[in-house]
Amino acid sequence: GQNIDQPTEMTATEGAIVQINCTYQTSGFNGLFWYQQHAGEAPTFLSYNVLDGLEEKGRFSSFLSRSKGYSYLLLKELQMKDSASYLCAVSPSYDYKLSFGAGTTVTVRA
Amino acid sequence: DGGITQSPKYLFRKEGQNVTLSCEQNLNHDAMYWYRQDPGQGLRLIYYSQIVNDFQKGDIAEGYSVSREKKESFPLTVTSAQKNPTAFYLCASSSSADQPQHFGDGTRLSIL
Repeated sequence: GQNIDQPTEMTATEGAIVQINCTYQTSGFNGLFWYQQHAGEAPTFLSYNVLDGLEEKGRFSSFLSRSKGYSYLLLKELQMKDSASYLCAVSPSYDYKLSFGAGTTVTVRA
Repeated sequence: DGGITQSPKYLFRKEGQNVTLSCEQNLNHDAMYWYRQDPGQGLRLIYYSQIVNDFQKGDIAEGYSVSREKKESFPLTVTSAQKNPTAFYLCASSSSADQPQHFGDGTRLSIL
């Protein structure tokens, strides 16, 4: 089976930086996605990593190390609207299936 | 605007009843998916379809059925065999395996 681990909860202050780690053990690897999900809403796409390294998109960056089975999502200059659940999802093979982690709930405090 | 539409937003099921959740997309995506989300858990894949008239079981297909007669539509039926159907159901679509999945707003199913 697929095993994807993320911390359950994280709390940070407005304007700070938070790093959400994701480790995975899967039968194969074709890419890793990060999604943001506000409570009761649909997940929205944040980033996709397939090669090792850092991908930067404005305040959000995502890093991947395939050899270590590790990724992180970095949220900078935190805003109150960033309070949400962040889902790590791995594509184990090129068959359209994704395996999701349980999600990390980030709470941003003033 | 292109997107995915799920209906209804809230649904109640009586014991022994089958219910069908609708999912329609106008993104021209080949692949469509159904997920179940329970509190404190990640999304679990119920069924997925890579192309019209074809679909595969996901990790938790028991008690569910789907059809894919049109590219735009991928309805999910929650049968009476699903003994614990209360959950948030999300439909998604993508153009290929290495492209992000786009999600609908979800249907929250409860038991009466």
